[in-house]
Amino acid sequence: QITLKESGPTLVKPTQTLTLTCTFSGFSLSTSGVGVGWIRQPPGKALEWLALIYWDDDKRYSPSLKSRLTITKDTSKNQVVLTMTNMDPVDTATYYCAHRPSLPGTRDYFDYWGQGTLVTVSS
Amino acid sequence: SYELTQPPSVSVSPGQTARITCSGDALPKQYAYWYQQKPGQAPVLVIYKDSERPSGIPERFSGSSSGTTVTLTISGVQAEDEADYYCQSADSSGTYAVFGGGTQLTVL
Repeated sequence: QITLKESGPTLVKPTQTLTLTCTFSGFSLSTSGVGVGWIRQPPGKALEWLALIYWDDDKRYSPSLKSRLTITKDTSKNQVVLTMTNMDPVDTATYYCAHRPSLPGTRDYFDYWGQGTLVTVSS
Repeated sequence: SYELTQPPSVSVSPGQTARITCSGDALPKQYAYWYQQKPGQAPVLVIYKDSERPSGIPERFSGSSSGTTVTLTISGVQAEDEADYYCQSADSSGTYAVFGGGTQLTVL
């Protein structure tokens, strides 16, 4: 079955760069149509889509955060890494990675999610 | 940037029907997806491609689309359905994903 798990620091200081790793199993990121995305959720607030990487290394970013985000994949390790620069307290959130299925005729959506990891930005 | 609009809250009594709407200009062109999120848990996909139900999701969950509005309907609401519900779609060009602001469903 498909599983994903996020890992990374729980606390970062303002202006620092956040690096999160999504380690997954049950699928391959070399399979046509498949992708892995990142979504975050500030405490008590709504979900916000951040970025997505596809099997062919195509990458998409949230327009509002594009300048601060980088997403990469290591297919051999079954990992996807998200970096976010210049962290601010407003970036405090639970960060989720999720599986984007390969379903003809559809755009991006997520059928399996990791448990999420809470990242707090504070000095 | 593109936005999806949901009502902040919906309340229903057990056994009644709950309808949660989501509005967006690109919805006639892009499919909508719905997620259920209970406190402290990751979201769960309950509807994809406007009206398809993933395996394991109860039949009381259904979706529909009409113009710029999509609707999640929960028939015969149960106490366990109390959760936040999020719609998700894409911008008109399909370049990036976007989530609605979420709707808190309260079962009275």
